[in-house]
Amino acid sequence: AQKVTQAQTEISVVEKEDVTLDCVYETRDTTYYLFWYKQPPSGELVFLIRRNSFDEQNEISGRYSWNFQKSTSSFNFTITASQVVDSAVYFCALSSTQGGSEKLVFGKGTKLTVNP
Amino acid sequence: DTGVSQDPRHKITKRGQNVTFRCDPISEHNRLYWYRQTLGQGPEFLTYFQNEAQLEKSRLLSDRFSAERPKGSFSTLEIQRTEQGDSAMYLCASTFSDIGEETQYFGPGTRLLVL
Repeated sequence: AQKVTQAQTEISVVEKEDVTLDCVYETRDTTYYLFWYKQPPSGELVFLIRRNSFDEQNEISGRYSWNFQKSTSSFNFTITASQVVDSAVYFCALSSTQGGSEKLVFGKGTKLTVNP
Repeated sequence: DTGVSQDPRHKITKRGQNVTFRCDPISEHNRLYWYRQTLGQGPEFLTYFQNEAQLEKSRLLSDRFSAERPKGSFSTLEIQRTEQGDSAMYLCASTFSDIGEETQYFGPGTRLLVL
């Protein structure tokens, strides 16, 4: 069975601080995809990034960066110089290419509050 | 194209009533997914369609739930005889199915409150 664990339920930081959101996953599949989504108070899930299981290169997009480590089954997300607009719930998710549906399995999310 | 849309955005109903939600995917997306999200939890998969065919249903989808996607375009999710435990956010997502590397794009969701 597939599982995603986001151990941090809530994080609160002050603007301009760096913050890392942890994600640990479990799967027996050899090919899979990992995702991060942002859910602001409005409720819509906003896609941030997708990584496949064969690509362990870290990725940077502006203030966002992601660290994928297969050896520890982790896919962590760092926001550099956080801003108030980053306040949201962030979800890590996993999908498998085996089985057909490629449905997403989500963690419980980490609520990030960035205070001015 | 403005993305995935869902209607209504909010629904309040009394226990025992039937409700129906609609999802319009991004045009030309052939896969459509329904998820349910309860307070403080991540979304959970309910069902998905490839074109008009419903190919997988979660055990979460009891007999009171039914979903359709006629003509492979919009989809509806109906809940019959609603219960208070059905109160949740119902999310729809769509993607274009290809060999690998699919990203699901989500709509704004329908918040259901059963009194």
